[in-house]
Amino acid sequence: NAGVTQTPKFRVLKTGQSMTLLCAQDMNHEYMYWYRQDPGMGLRLIHYSVGEGTTAKGEVPDGYNVSRLKKQNFLLGLESAAPSQTSVYFCASSYPSRDRVQSYEQYFGPGTRLTVT
Amino acid sequence: DAKTTQPPSMDCAEGRAANLPCNHSTISGNEYVYWYRQIHSQGPQYIIHGLKNNETNEMASLIITEDRKSSTLILPHATLRDTAVYYCIVRSGVYGQNFVFGPGTRLSVLP
Repeated sequence: NAGVTQTPKFRVLKTGQSMTLLCAQDMNHEYMYWYRQDPGMGLRLIHYSVGEGTTAKGEVPDGYNVSRLKKQNFLLGLESAAPSQTSVYFCASSYPSRDRVQSYEQYFGPGTRLTVT
Repeated sequence: DAKTTQPPSMDCAEGRAANLPCNHSTISGNEYVYWYRQIHSQGPQYIIHGLKNNETNEMASLIITEDRKSSTLILPHATLRDTAVYYCIVRSGVYGQNFVFGPGTRLSVLP
């Protein structure tokens, strides 16, 4: 049981290039999330998904697109990278909860460190 | 969404209990309190959560005041490996999507 995995771990892009970050979970969770974390800051929600084929915007969605074609995977795309997107990206998944109350605790991946020059 | 307030940093001696406070005075009746921690640059790690009652698991205890306006995370016997940033979060949103991470408390466990 690997939990939440993310690929790649590190990436350097030039301004204007595109890339896709992959998140995979093996916990049969319905909900998945993408966050970014800038130095010294807390995490901010980019996009989320409450099920296969559905996505929604979070707090900072501009410049990113997402897709959830399979329940276990959640992809984050940058179509035209900008230096302001230099950050660490975390994926998380949740639900169903292990207890009887639907408390939605989120489980996080190890992160992808992205630098845009 | 309820906002949380935490001290920016705290120190704790190794082997002693670490008590991390959090204020969430605008919390509403159906909002849960969660605690996470982040060690260095790793992904946040779930610790514990609660609604009204005090909770305990293998990692920590969570004490929530009767009016639910504040809570305390207790690490009963802190070790050097507990040095991390601790986040207190009040979760709302139908899908748990309003999981707002503030700056947290940087806990330093000292030998």
